[in-house]
Amino acid sequence: DGGITQSPKYLFRKEGQNVTLSCEQNLNHDAMYWYRQDPGQGLRLIYYSQIVNDFQKGDIAEGYSVSREKKESFPLTVTSAQKNPTAFYLCASRPRQGVNQPQHFGDGTRLSIL
Amino acid sequence: GDSVTQMEGPVTLSEEAFLTINCTYTATGYPSLFWYVQYPGEGLQLLLKATKADDKGSNKGFEATYRKETTSFHLEKGSVQVSDSAVYFCALIPNTGNQFYFGTGTSLTVIP
Repeated sequence: DGGITQSPKYLFRKEGQNVTLSCEQNLNHDAMYWYRQDPGQGLRLIYYSQIVNDFQKGDIAEGYSVSREKKESFPLTVTSAQKNPTAFYLCASRPRQGVNQPQHFGDGTRLSIL
Repeated sequence: GDSVTQMEGPVTLSEEAFLTINCTYTATGYPSLFWYVQYPGEGLQLLLKATKADDKGSNKGFEATYRKETTSFHLEKGSVQVSDSAVYFCALIPNTGNQFYFGTGTSLTVIP
């Protein structure tokens, strides 16, 4: 079945540590997105990528980094510069062509600080 | 700028009650509009969409009509079930952009 796989489902970070969240899709979508979800605040865009080897900052990119070396993969690194990383992180993808196309979401990764 | 505003929750209804969740938007041109549903601990799932004025999206008994004149896309269901308990998000994508804009979500609890 085609879909988006996020791993791990739960992740713990120590102070001063970088952690990387994985996002893989087999939908052949060009565009991929990372969102952060906090209680009562909806979704906030961290980074997005329309094509391999290219990505743009979203509204809250500080303290995060991404790469897009393959079409299927869009990993997110939460760096030690992100002072409040505890949140639920969602990855999404969509075809680049067609403004009507919805985003498809993974099941998320919950990151907590030890 | 582009934005989505949806009614604050939480909303609690009895089973078989009528549901309305209000959503209004601000956007230039003719955006596409979406409703997503999120169950606890999961990602968002597309519930329905509408891509032009007066379009009605529908799925699983839920409906929403794209109203250009009132810039609204209210979600409705005639008879809710306990299994409809979830968080509902309204979203748009401008017809000239690549970025989605989401509302803050409305939590729905249906009690037997």
